[in-house]
Amino acid sequence: TQLLEQSPQFLSIQEGENLTVYCNSSSVFSSLQWYRQEPGEGPVLLVTVVTGGEVKKLKRLTFQFGDARKDSSLHITAAQPGDTGLYLCAGGQAAGNKLTFGGGTRVLVKP
Amino acid sequence: EAQVTQNPRYLITVTGKKLTVTCSQNMNHEYMSWYRQDPGLGLRQIYYSMNVEVTDKGDVPEGYKVSRKEKRNFPLILESPSPNQTSLYFCASSLTRAGRGRNEQYFGPGTRLTVT
Repeated sequence: TQLLEQSPQFLSIQEGENLTVYCNSSSVFSSLQWYRQEPGEGPVLLVTVVTGGEVKKLKRLTFQFGDARKDSSLHITAAQPGDTGLYLCAGGQAAGNKLTFGGGTRVLVKP
Repeated sequence: EAQVTQNPRYLITVTGKKLTVTCSQNMNHEYMSWYRQDPGLGLRQIYYSMNVEVTDKGDVPEGYKVSRKEKRNFPLILESPSPNQTSLYFCASSLTRAGRGRNEQYFGPGTRLTVT
């Protein structure tokens, strides 16, 4: 069974600070996705990375896929209260119809 | 508007009383999945479907059934619910296989189920 471990589980920071969320596995994934989930809603896709070493930026969010495609990170620069939410990473496989999700990181950005 | 809808959004039931959670998508997607979300465990796939009449087990299929008679609908059936099935359930759909390339999976708003 493939597992994805996210850390930390919970992060509370002040507005304007930076934060990094990590997603690690001993397995190789064909793709790695990051989602954000608001209370009472389903996860919404932020980004997909598919190439080892790939870096993608989405405004103040930077996503990186590890060279070996086993890990990923999400870095938020100058966090804002609107960044508050549950962040989930999910690894994709080449076959089947399966995403393996990490346990999630709950981020709270205080004004 | 492209969307995945689920009904009901909230459900409280008793052990053993059969229930169905409906899921419908309007994007003509071939691939659909059901997940359950429990604190600290992320989302775990229950069942998935790659097309009409094609379904397969995910990671936690015990106690659940699904059917895919039409492309747009993918109901989740609990024949005899038990308290350990109390959870938040999500239906999702995608154009191609989840996790393939940059394929995006669209999630419904969730169904919070409590089994007493």
